[in-house]
Amino acid sequence: DAGVTQSPTHLIKTRGQQVTLRCSPKSGHDTVSWYQQALGQGPQFIFQYYEEEERQRGNFPDRFSGHQFPNYSSELNVNALLLGDSALYLCASSPATGGTEAFFGQGTRLTVV
Amino acid sequence: GESVGLHLPTLSVQEGDNSIINCAYSNSASDYFIWYKQESGKGPQFIIDIRSNMDKRQGQRVTVLLNKTVKHLSLQIAATQPGDSAVYFCAEISPMRFGAGTRLTVKP
Repeated sequence: DAGVTQSPTHLIKTRGQQVTLRCSPKSGHDTVSWYQQALGQGPQFIFQYYEEEERQRGNFPDRFSGHQFPNYSSELNVNALLLGDSALYLCASSPATGGTEAFFGQGTRLTVV
Repeated sequence: GESVGLHLPTLSVQEGDNSIINCAYSNSASDYFIWYKQESGKGPQFIIDIRSNMDKRQGQRVTVLLNKTVKHLSLQIAATQPGDSAVYFCAEISPMRFGAGTRLTVKP
């Protein structure tokens, strides 16, 4: 079992550009959540996807959007990048029913210059 | 607003000592909490969880205590080892909300 996998591991973008991050959930998990973790801070919830729809959303602007595919994998898109978007972006997967423990990927380190 | 936070940003202990990491929460409706460990360059790793109908839960070398009266969680690590050095987060569900974390450093 590969667990939660994220790609790419590192990314450098220019302010104003758009970025897409990808996540494959752990086998058997159908719910995917995305988090932004600034340096020295705890992860902040962006949104959660289940059955290809956004189920919950944190306090992030509309520049942050996502998608979930039929195979449960997910993408996080950020438009009009700002310097402040530089962070580690974490994906976590969990089963929709039963256990609530979330498994995290290694994250994508995004740097906006 | 509601928040999950930690008392201390850093904790340094000697190898072999016991470690206690504290966490305060303000949402009295929270019914499930998780402690995560995050090593440098890695995603958070599940350590132990506890539901609000419990006061204590033990794992391998770790114990979580929940005091609902004062809305306080603690993580106790017995016989702390160098491999325990990491940032520890408490999180409440759902969705998961994390505090800023406590950096645990184990001195040999």
